[in-house]
Amino acid sequence: QSALTQPASVSGSPGQSITISCTGTSSDVGSYNLVSWYQQHPGKAPKLMIYEVSKRPSGVSNRFSGSKSGNTASLTISGLQAEDEADYYCCSYAGSSTPNYVFGTGTKVTVL
Amino acid sequence: EVQLVESGGGLVQPGRSLRLSCAASGFTFDDYAMHWVRQAPGKGLEWVSGISWNSGSIGYADSVKGRFTISRDNAKNSLYLQMNSLRAEDTALYYCAKDPSIFGGFWFDPWGQGTLVTVSS
Repeated sequence: QSALTQPASVSGSPGQSITISCTGTSSDVGSYNLVSWYQQHPGKAPKLMIYEVSKRPSGVSNRFSGSKSGNTASLTISGLQAEDEADYYCCSYAGSSTPNYVFGTGTKVTVL
Repeated sequence: EVQLVESGGGLVQPGRSLRLSCAASGFTFDDYAMHWVRQAPGKGLEWVSGISWNSGSIGYADSVKGRFTISRDNAKNSLYLQMNSLRAEDTALYYCAKDPSIFGGFWFDPWGQGTLVTVSS
């Protein structure tokens, strides 16, 4: 099973909104509402930002939102801030097949 | 506060073995599935293995199946990854991560800080 496809980089100015896409297949993203998104700053462990496609964990800013259509999930960051500059990874449960979980290729978000 | 602390990484020669550990605290360990996720230097995340609360359900990535073994000791609040026949491509930072369910199949939160495994002669 291949990694989910994300754009290598996305950039935006402070205050703008950006969207990161995550394209999988009917075996992963398309089959389960179990897409999650992770933020990773350099040298740090990943942090959960979105789970079950669109839910935010406690403590995560409401500037982060998620959605899904067919085999493609998306993460939108609104009101972009300097602290949002990081790598972002999507992940989908892929059922009982191996691997059970598939990560995206990762997207570097740059705040201009 | 939930804490996951990995240990056991290091420099190892190809073909040798290494055992990683993850010490968990701040939650009822045997109520949750657990996972190992790795990240090669400068690369993306790769799920390695997961184990349900009672070790009854275990899964592996194809890249490690037959070489790695995941296990847990609920009495010691610890997760393990036995890595055999190590290859250069196993070089990575290995993270321990908690699943929100007992059987797994959801997401990873939180993550430990990782332990670095370097496979080189």
